[in-house]
Amino acid sequence: GQQLNQSPQSMFIQEGEDVSMNCTSSSIFNTWLWYKQDPGEGPVLLIALYKAGELTSNGRLTAQFGITRKDSFLNISASIPSDVGIYFCAGADRGSTLGRLYFGRGTQLTVWP
Amino acid sequence: NAGVTQTPKFRILKIGQSMTLQCTQDMNHNYMYWYRQDPGMGLKLIYYSVGAGITDKGEVPNGYNVSRSTTEDFPLRLELAAPSQTSVYFCASGAGRAGGELFFGEGSRLTVL
Repeated sequence: GQQLNQSPQSMFIQEGEDVSMNCTSSSIFNTWLWYKQDPGEGPVLLIALYKAGELTSNGRLTAQFGITRKDSFLNISASIPSDVGIYFCAGADRGSTLGRLYFGRGTQLTVWP
Repeated sequence: NAGVTQTPKFRILKIGQSMTLQCTQDMNHNYMYWYRQDPGMGLKLIYYSVGAGITDKGEVPNGYNVSRSTTEDFPLRLELAAPSQTSVYFCASGAGRAGGELFFGEGSRLTVL
């Protein structure tokens, strides 16, 4: 299957700091998505990206679809305690069944007040 | 808004027992999926379905079975539970549009002793 490398694995930051995480794939993807998982819950979609170079924001979150189509990053500005959780990147390649996603291993974010 | 509903939320099984994880969605989505999540490993696809009567294997199907008799329901069956199947299981559904925007249930935590 596809290999998605997500980094960092974990982050410990202070409230108000900005956060950056990224994801790279071994092959070209047509779609990149970023999900957040709160403790005891299922992942929830944050941002979806469909075109190389696309930059999309959702409140304090900004994500970009890399030009090479093999990477994506997510930035969170001015972090707050409720940003705590696991952030997953996910992607769909040209060969995958429509809607089938491959997931990164996640970035565990901890925000100290 | 129910979305994707999974039952049970928690279950403890003995080695060799069998059980079924239930999943139902009320969004009229054709595409449904079962993932398992192990600590630090992201989400691995077990089985998926592109419509009633159609199922296919994902990355880690061994030890599991599925059926899709209706659009709404997609149960996951464990026939002979093994400790390696201790995990959190997530059911998801999607409309199947390019982009793979999936909606997840809250998860079912299974422990096999």
